Amino acid sequence: DIQMTQSPSTLSASVGDRVTITCRASQSISNWLAWYQQKPGKAPKLLIYKASSLESGVPSRFSGSGSGTEFTLTISSLQPDDFATYYCQQYSSYRTFGQGTKVEIK
Amino acid sequence: QVQLQQSGPGLVKPSQTLSLTCGISGDSVSSNSAAWNWIRQSPSRGLEWLGKTYYRSKWYNDYAVSVKSRITINPDTSKNQFSLHLNSVTPEDTAVYYCARSTSEITFHSWGQGTLVTVSS
Repeated sequence: DIQMTQSPSTLSASVGDRVTITCRASQSISNWLAWYQQKPGKAPKLLIYKASSLESGVPSRFSGSGSGTEFTLTISSLQPDDFATYYCQQYSSYRTFGQGTKVEIK
Repeated sequence: QVQLQQSGPGLVKPSQTLSLTCGISGDSVSSNSAAWNWIRQSPSRGLEWLGKTYYRSKWYNDYAVSVKSRITINPDTSKNQFSLHLNSVTPEDTAVYYCARSTSEITFHSWGQGTLVTVSS
């Protein structure tokens, strides 16, 4: 199985901050990586697919980059609606998720 | 706009079979470009993909190694839905279960509302 490791586990930030979350794969997954946002009691919401493609309707302050084993999700200017938990997920071989990064209010 | 609606019991006894159904609107379970997945989430295991069914001239299934001996995912073309059956459940199978649509390029972009299933006597 391909393991996905996210860092940090928790991130404290303020509205307007630039936020970066990192995801590492245990082996190369090319660009078969997605990012999701999840709020309590809700299903995950797709933000980014194929490492850097923005899902339709997702604000442009979200961006993704990387390939191979190292990936990042960046929120250019954190908004109140962005406080949530973020997950990466590989779809190169079967499907596995990272453990999540909780973005909380500083 | 694809919508997925889950149904099924929220309580299952140990050693019995967990069964959930996911109804599809806005697409067909027989689509040649989509796959129909089950995913679960628990505090101890996080988000865990369980398996999928998909149609490419014939029906295929892929299952996660962790549940492969206990899981069946079936399409129902007459009702445009698909189902999850997980047998011999234990309290470790307690989780929120989600169905989701994926494609090869975009992965899980449509999700059901989630069903909390508790395994307890």
